Amino acid sequence: GDSVTQMEGPVTLSEEAFLTINCTYTATGYPSLFWYVQYPGEGLQLLLKATKADDKGSNKGFEATYRKETTSFHLEKGSVQVSDSAVYFCALSKGGSNAGNMLTFGGGTRLMVKP
Amino acid sequence: DTAVSQTPKYLVTQMGNDKSIKCEQNLGHDTMYWYKQDSKKFLKIMFSYNNKELIINETVPNRFSPKSPDKAHLNLHINSLELGDSAVYFCASSRQGGTEQYFGPGTRLTVT
Repeated sequence: GDSVTQMEGPVTLSEEAFLTINCTYTATGYPSLFWYVQYPGEGLQLLLKATKADDKGSNKGFEATYRKETTSFHLEKGSVQVSDSAVYFCALSKGGSNAGNMLTFGGGTRLMVKP
Repeated sequence: DTAVSQTPKYLVTQMGNDKSIKCEQNLGHDTMYWYKQDSKKFLKIMFSYNNKELIINETVPNRFSPKSPDKAHLNLHINSLELGDSAVYFCASSRQGGTEQYFGPGTRLTVT
C-alpha cells in the first residue's frame, strides 16, 4: 500500500538557520503531495501542496518540490523563526476519485527553533 | 467563521462508557473524514463519507460508528470505550474528488 516516510525528530535549530525536513513516498500512480503543520494544541493546517512532478509548492517562506525520480517532497525554509516551532507532516493523496480521497501521513517531524 | 468545528474539544471518560464527538463544516464540501492521532502523533484515516454515504472504513473496530445526518455533519459515536481509544480525533472535509482537506481543531479523548 501507499506510505510516507519522513525524518524523525525532533529537529532543533537556532533562529535564522536553514531548515530541511526529508520526506519520501511510495505510491502507485501519480499522487498529490502535501505538507501540513500542527502548532501546539491546534489542528492541522495545510502548509503547501504539489499535484504533479516538478511542481514546487510554497507558502510562508517554506518550499517543497515534487521529485518523481526520487519519490521525494522535502520541505525547506531558508531562515526559520521561533514561531515556526511545530510538528510538520508530509502526506499524499491519490485524488481523482469521486468518493473522497484519504490522506496517508508520514510520522511527523517536530521542529524546535531556539532564539 | 470556523470552517470545520468539533465538539467537545476535550473529553475525559471511564472505560466502558459510550461517547460521541460531533463535527460540522460550513465549507459546502461533500466529503468528510475522521482521523485518529495517537500519542506519538501518528495520524491514520478511520472513515470517509461522501454525500452522507460511507466510503472508507479502515479496519476500525465496530465499536466506532460514524453517522452523517447531512452533508455538513459527521459525528463519531464510540461504544464501550477502552484505554487504547485515548487519542486526538480529527475531523476533516474536502470537495468531492478533491485532494485538499481542511481539518478541525481536534478532540482529545482520554479514557481512564
